[in-house]
Formats: sequence, C-alpha cells, structure tokens
Amino acid sequence: EAEVAQSPRYKITEKSQAVAFWCDPISGHATLYWYRQILGQGPELLVQFQDESVVDDSQLPKDRFSAERLKGVDSTLKIQPAELGDSAMYLCASSTGRGLEQYFGPGTRLTVT
Amino acid sequence: DQQVKQNSPSLSVQEGRISILNCDYTNSMFDYFLWYKKYPAEGPTFLISISSIKDKNEDGRFTVFLNKSAKHLSLHIVPSQPGDSAVYFCAAIPGAQKLVFGQGTRLTINP
Repeated sequence: EAEVAQSPRYKITEKSQAVAFWCDPISGHATLYWYRQILGQGPELLVQFQDESVVDDSQLPKDRFSAERLKGVDSTLKIQPAELGDSAMYLCASSTGRGLEQYFGPGTRLTVT
Repeated sequence: DQQVKQNSPSLSVQEGRISILNCDYTNSMFDYFLWYKKYPAEGPTFLISISSIKDKNEDGRFTVFLNKSAKHLSLHIVPSQPGDSAVYFCAAIPGAQKLVFGQGTRLTINP
C-alpha cells in the first residue's frame, strides 16, 4: 500500500540553527500539505501545494519558514532560525485533490533546545 | 478562534461498550466533516466522513451523526475494541479542502 514518506522521524536542534524536513507524497497525488501539530492540539495547516504551486501559505511564518516543491513531487520544509516555540510534530499529507481524504505521513518530531 | 472544538481531552470506555466522541463547530460554511484516528508516532489516518447534507453515515462499527442546528457531530464506536485506543481528531472542510482540526480526544479502551 502506497504511503507518504517523511524524514527524519526525529530531529533535535539548538535554537538559531537551521533545520529541514523532507516529504515524498503518494505517487500521483497532486496536492501536498504541511501541518504543524503542537502537543495537545490538532494539526494546523502551514502550507498547501497544488503540483509545484503554493495554494495556501497564510499560516506559514514566512520570516523563518520556507517550503518548496520544485518538480511537483517531493517537498522540503525549512526553518531558519529555529526557535524554542517551533518544537512540534511536523506532518506531511497528500491527496489527489479530487476527494476529501488526505493521507498523512508518520511526521517529524522536532525538539528545539 | 477555535472553529472546531473537542471539549473532552480524554475518554475511557470498557471493551465491548459504546464509545461516543463529541465535536462542536462554529462555522456554518463547513461542507464536510471527517474523523481521523492517530496512534503514537504515526500520522493521522482517515476514519469516516459525513457531508453537511446528511445527518448520519455508517461504516462498520463506526457511525458519525451530524446535528447542523446544534453545530454538533459525534462519532460512535460499537462495540469498542482495545485497538480503538488512540487519539481521535474531528476535522471540517469549509469548501476549499483546507482541513480545520479539533484538539483531539484520547480514547482508552479498558479490557
């Protein structure tokens, strides 16, 4: 069964350092999402791609966060510089764009010290 | 502004009994509602959905009820099994495929 892949699974970094997360969606899925889930809360959308174009990045802190999906397949989310408040689970999801269901990857647990 | 609210952070149910998870929302523009299930160290997995034009949708042991006048939906699991122990998220879509999630409810099924 096809799955969304994410790496790394865990990342510990010091504040002010740069960190990057990678996501490979299910093959053929045109829509890709990055979510942030803080402990005790539900996932919150950071950015949504349709192929290689950003559809929604209204909740992305653009002073320190950036995301790209250059060839419309895999995607990278970067934080520079990381802050203590960025400690969270970062989830990637993909969908065909024609249905409701989004398929989530296992996430990257980020700890900023 | 929390548009989707799950007011019970945790719920404990005996195996074989019914589990009822609740969700309230404020935005009347939501078109669809979904429930996701999340195990530790895994991403959420889709469980069941319901359109705003329906009041009930059933899939095996899982049934979702929607009360639009009360802006309330619930997920019923009957009978509850140990493997159902997980965090359950209610989510809603305001027409543009941007999921809005609730805070989650941790369900524990006791043997």
